[in-house]
Amino acid sequence: DAKTTQPNSMESNEEEPVHLPCNHSTISGTDYIHWYRQLPSQGPEYVIHGLTSNVNNRMASLAIAEDRKSSTLILHRATLRDAAVYYCILRPFGLNTDKLIFGTGTRLQVFP
Amino acid sequence: DTGVSQDPRHKITKRGQNVTFRCDPISEHNRLYWYRQTLGQGPEFLTYFQNEAQLEKSRLLSDRFSAERPKGSFSTLEIQRTEQGDSAMYLCASSPTRGNEQFFGPGTRLTVL
Repeated sequence: DAKTTQPNSMESNEEEPVHLPCNHSTISGTDYIHWYRQLPSQGPEYVIHGLTSNVNNRMASLAIAEDRKSSTLILHRATLRDAAVYYCILRPFGLNTDKLIFGTGTRLQVFP
Repeated sequence: DTGVSQDPRHKITKRGQNVTFRCDPISEHNRLYWYRQTLGQGPEFLTYFQNEAQLEKSRLLSDRFSAERPKGSFSTLEIQRTEQGDSAMYLCASSPTRGNEQFFGPGTRLTVL
């Protein structure tokens, strides 16, 4: 299973942009990069995913390095509600499995 | 609410007892997943179903654990002869098809005394 590396924790002030990094140097050509987050006392929720190109949605942006060995989740204006654990997950396409393999993630603290 | 629901939300049991948890996925979602999460760790995959067929089981799923999805809708996860090490949050998720985002329920927190 391909492995990801994330910082244990990060801090931000409210309304500032946040860049959450993820290293995945052993990524294979068929691995999609997924991000989930887990708010306190809740189950994880999907944030965004991508393969090669940068992606934007209403929650965040995903910037993927050209060699795909790293990616960055961008929250454009952090709010207090964005305080959560963020998980970067590699999800293979085409294999006979459909599980998510979570690491320990990055705990994001947002200060008012 | 049309999200994934789990019941009960909390369960306290004594070591050696059997427990059963229920998960109701989002309507018409074919895939249903079970994960377990201990404090400070990310969720760990246990098993998943496509409709009523159990397609994959983790090696974490010892023979004391059994999961079913008899009619392809709700699922149950049973733990027999519980041990203190089974104390964790048990999360259920569903998705419409393979590879799609997974929608998680709020979890069932199990405490084994």
